[in-house]
Amino acid sequence: EPEVTQTPSHQVTQMGQEVILRCVPISNHLYFYWYRQILGQKVEFLVSFYNNEISEKSEIFDDQFSVERPDGSNFTLKIRSTKLEDSAMYFCASRREGTQYFGPGTRLTVL
Amino acid sequence: RKEVEQDPGPFNVPEGATVAFNCTYSNSASQSFFWYRQDCRKEPKLLMSVYSSGNEDGRFTAQLNRASQYISLLIRDSKLSDSATYLCVVNIGITGGGNKLTFGTGTQLKVEL
Repeated sequence: EPEVTQTPSHQVTQMGQEVILRCVPISNHLYFYWYRQILGQKVEFLVSFYNNEISEKSEIFDDQFSVERPDGSNFTLKIRSTKLEDSAMYFCASRREGTQYFGPGTRLTVL
Repeated sequence: RKEVEQDPGPFNVPEGATVAFNCTYSNSASQSFFWYRQDCRKEPKLLMSVYSSGNEDGRFTAQLNRASQYISLLIRDSKLSDSATYLCVVNIGITGGGNKLTFGTGTQLKVEL
């Protein structure tokens, strides 16, 4: 069964550093998403991406965040200058129609 | 008012019990409704979509009341493996490829021997 994959599973970084979280969506999917979940809190929408452009973003997704689909398979989330409060699980999701399928997540720890 | 509101629990029930979870949502424009399951430190996984007519999948029954903006999930004959956090999820369905999901905080279920 096809699935969304994410790398790395755990990323530790120093405050102020740039990080890139990587996702490989399911191959025939057209819509891509990033969500985050701070420990003990709910899953929150960050951004959706379709046809090589952002279709919607939340208030959390400020100028420090960017997304890219550099080739036909990868979908990346970049955080330019990480803050302590960026520590969270980051989930990538994709869909063709209907259901969004989630990847296993990247745990980002900012020290 | 929270966009999607759930009782956080935990619900501690014995194996074989029937348990019900409730959820309310604030945006009357919401179009799609789901229950996801999340195990500790794992990704959300779709349990079932929720339709206006109500729907059932094995031991799980979901109901939607659009007038009251209320969603429910009933689990019958609960198993130890049902222990997880159950997430009520709503999609407003904005056109243009958005379709962001809005999650509740989740209701934790613990099924005990």
